Amino acid sequence: QKEVEQDPGPLSVPEGAIVSLNCTYSNSAFQYFMWYRQYSRKGPELLMYTYSSGNKEDGRFTAQVDKSSKYISLFIRDSQPSDSATYLCAMKDVGDGLTFGKGTHLIIQP
Amino acid sequence: NAGVMQNPRHLVRRRGQEARLRCSPMKGHSHVYWYRQLPEEGLKFMVYLQKENIIDESGMPKERFSAEFPKEGPSILRIQQVVRGDSAAYFCASSPGSPEAFFGQGTRLTVV
Repeated sequence: QKEVEQDPGPLSVPEGAIVSLNCTYSNSAFQYFMWYRQYSRKGPELLMYTYSSGNKEDGRFTAQVDKSSKYISLFIRDSQPSDSATYLCAMKDVGDGLTFGKGTHLIIQP
Repeated sequence: NAGVMQNPRHLVRRRGQEARLRCSPMKGHSHVYWYRQLPEEGLKFMVYLQKENIIDESGMPKERFSAEFPKEGPSILRIQQVVRGDSAAYFCASSPGSPEAFFGQGTRLTVV
């Protein structure tokens, strides 16, 4: 069983739709949860960072963490074509490097 | 405030040569991480360094790969005697010590 599972997609939605991206994980030691956005041939860009369970909102983005279910989500409201990218979930314990999912390729259709 | 700087952006090496990848962290960041990304694969952790110390190298191949982060200058990821399987994008991330990590644009290594 892989440590972090993420559906690679592609996920294609019309402009303006709400996008839901998800990851599951198996290591209960993970405490910090992040979402990165990566455009083709670019470095990952940190979007959201959360600690432990709960919700965090930043503009059109909302991150949710449910540690009891080992499940994290990223919601994007009012999606735009510029949101088309690969979204990577990542998580870690104190002092460790990040463990990444494989990424979900998101396409927002104009 | 410059971000994480990696160079070169693209590197071509023949089999058996050495590859040196450089990473300058963001100003004020003393923690550096290296990751490798293979086509269709996620980012894989390689090594975590602080100034002059290797903290965690559990993701580094046992042979041919080494990393350093000297007191002065950039962090270096060194790959000796490269093979075709080393072809990948190598990313560096830096952190001030908080869990958030900020990535550079990567070095794309091609072994021919």
